[in-house]
Amino acid sequence: GAVVSQHPSRVICKSGTSVKIECRSLDFQATTMFWYRQFPKQSLMLMATSNEGSKATYEQGVEKDKFLINHASLTLSTLTVTSAHPEDSSFYICSAQGGPIAYEQYFGPGTRLTVT
Amino acid sequence: QKEVEQNSGPLSVPEGAIASLNCTYSDRGSQSFFWYRQYSGKSPELIMFIYSNGDKEDGRFTAQLNKASQYVSLLIRDSQPSDSATYLCAVNGQSGGSNYKLTFGKGTLLTVNP
Repeated sequence: GAVVSQHPSRVICKSGTSVKIECRSLDFQATTMFWYRQFPKQSLMLMATSNEGSKATYEQGVEKDKFLINHASLTLSTLTVTSAHPEDSSFYICSAQGGPIAYEQYFGPGTRLTVT
Repeated sequence: QKEVEQNSGPLSVPEGAIASLNCTYSDRGSQSFFWYRQYSGKSPELIMFIYSNGDKEDGRFTAQLNKASQYVSLLIRDSQPSDSATYLCAVNGQSGGSNYKLTFGKGTLLTVNP
C-alpha cells in the first residue's frame, strides 16, 4: 500500500509556456503533500507544503506566483510551473503523507522537466 | 536554520563489506530520522526510520541514533553491488503538529565494487 504516482514522468516544453504536474495518492488519502525539486547531484529541496483545501505554504525563496500548487482533493495535488525558463529544468518530486505510517512521506516517481 | 550534514563521498566498499553512512543534524528538537536510498534518476525510497536512541535492525540494515550527539548512522552489512546508490538522511524537526516536514542532507554516494 501507500503508492504515489506522478504524471507526466518526463516533459519537454518551450521557454515561456506553462507545465502542469500531477501527484496522486492511489490507495490512501493524503492529508499533506510536499513538492520537492532536485537539481543534478544536489539534494532534495522542499518547495512547498500543501494541505487539502487550503493554500500551500512555500519555502523561502520559492516564488508562489511561478509555482502554482493546487490540492483540490485528498488524493490529488498539482504543481504548475508558469512561464517556464531553462533554469526551471529539474527533477520535480512529490510526496504524500497520511498513509499507513503517519509520519512517513511516500514519494512519487518524479517528473523530469526540460525547458528549451 | 535546521541543517542536516552528510559526507558526500563517494564511499567505496568491496562487495560483502560493511558500509557505514553517517549523518549529523543541528536541531535538537528533531524527533524522527529517516534513511532513504535514491538510485540515479529515480525518486527516494525509504530504507529505515528511527526515533529512539540506540540501534534498529532490519535485515542487512541497521540504523543507529544518538540524540545527545545529534548523530544518526546507517550500517549496511554484506554490501551488494545493488546497494550502490545515494543515501539520503532526513530529519523531522517539528515537534507535534500534523505536518512532518523533512530536512534532507545532501546525500552520500555509495559504490559497492564486485
